[in-house]
Amino acid sequence: QSLLTQPPSASGTPGQRVTMSCSGSSSNIGNNYVYWYQQRPGAAPKLLIYRSNQRPSGVPDRFSGSKSGTSASLAVSGLRSEDEADYYCATWDDSLSGWVFGGGTKLTVL
Amino acid sequence: EVQLVESGGGLVQPGGSLRLSCVASGFTFSSYSMNWVRQAPGKGLEWVSYIIKSGSNSYYADSVKGRFTISRDNAKNSLYLQMNSLRNEDTAVYFCARDQEKYTNAFDLWGQGTMVTVFS
Repeated sequence: QSLLTQPPSASGTPGQRVTMSCSGSSSNIGNNYVYWYQQRPGAAPKLLIYRSNQRPSGVPDRFSGSKSGTSASLAVSGLRSEDEADYYCATWDDSLSGWVFGGGTKLTVL
Repeated sequence: EVQLVESGGGLVQPGGSLRLSCVASGFTFSSYSMNWVRQAPGKGLEWVSYIIKSGSNSYYADSVKGRFTISRDNAKNSLYLQMNSLRNEDTAVYFCARDQEKYTNAFDLWGQGTMVTVFS
């Protein structure tokens, strides 16, 4: 059971905007930055968002992150077929002194 | 090309040992802290261990503490994970991942992973 809770699935049609949530606690999200990773089938994870709402170079601005209190969210706008993947939130947990990942949300583009 | 390449995975019986390696190329390995992250078949990502640039300090997930040891050889651009007392639940793909300070310690570069299967 992960310390970060993500809905197991999300879906949308091409062009639509979809949001995914990540819920934690004061020892993790509440006190640290949140990161988002995309993992396509059979591939290694890829960094999408750092510092809760910043995109690394090369990541399209269709992806955006936000954080409020002990929760965070990832939004994908202008949904495309290649966005179909698993999305994981992650953060540092002060109580564990380690990184924690959410269970992941599988995004399906209908 | 900037990349990480893992090796050393395989089949091992419970209680056995395995040593994973991760070779870095295309960047100054000694300038980065590193991590191991694993993914059990059909499951999510689980952080395993972290080691600082010099190798003098490291952190572990509770699930592997006392059984796994992370180390590095900056002269060989290599990261290692010594896994002892392996259990069925350690079966997973093991990824090495670079810690990027300019992205507030995000994991910005990942290897392709190496599969470890613990079976009885």
